[in-house]
Amino acid sequence: ILNVEQSPQSLHVQEGDSTNFTCSFPSSNFYALHWYRWETAKSPEALFVMTLNGDEKKKGRISATLNTKEGYSYLYIKGSQPEDSATYLCAPESTSYGKLTFGQGTILTVHP
Amino acid sequence: DVKVTQSSRYLVKRTGEKVFLECVQDMDHENMFWYRQDPGLGLRLIYFSYDVKMKEKGDIPEGYSVSREKKERFSLILESASTNQTSMYLCASSLLAGQGANEQFFGPGTRLTVL
Repeated sequence: ILNVEQSPQSLHVQEGDSTNFTCSFPSSNFYALHWYRWETAKSPEALFVMTLNGDEKKKGRISATLNTKEGYSYLYIKGSQPEDSATYLCAPESTSYGKLTFGQGTILTVHP
Repeated sequence: DVKVTQSSRYLVKRTGEKVFLECVQDMDHENMFWYRQDPGLGLRLIYFSYDVKMKEKGDIPEGYSVSREKKERFSLILESASTNQTSMYLCASSLLAGQGANEQFFGPGTRLTVL
């Protein structure tokens, strides 16, 4: 079982703050790195899937970077809004049929 | 839009019962997955399937089996439910790896309570 670590475990910020989370994963047998957002009472939804070292992806106020050589990814949220409150999950993908190993997630709460 | 549906949102069963959790996807995805989610432990993979009648163990397969007779349907079976199988169960599907790194699409989850 891959060791995937996310930090921090939880985060409380004020509306308008910018924030970032970290995902650490084994750099061997790497195929892709996934980020998902999981809002309460909803299903997890994909934010980004990144494959190349140095990849940077952006969706609105959310962006992510990837370092496959050292085995980490950062997720950034600029100007957090209450609707960004969710659990953010990262998951490296091995080469075996799209299998993902999820980290425990970072729980973000954005206070108005 | 990809749609992944699960047969029940909430389910209550008794210890020793045989339990079937059904998952159906409508996007012709090759891969299907079953996870359970427990507080503090994140999403853990139970079983996955990359083709009809094919299955692979995930990280926590003990106490579970699966069935994939049709491409769109993937069933999780608890042969004899136990209280430590009380959990949230999520199904997901994706295109086959090798066609790019493909995101997984999740169902709404089934919260199973075993009494």
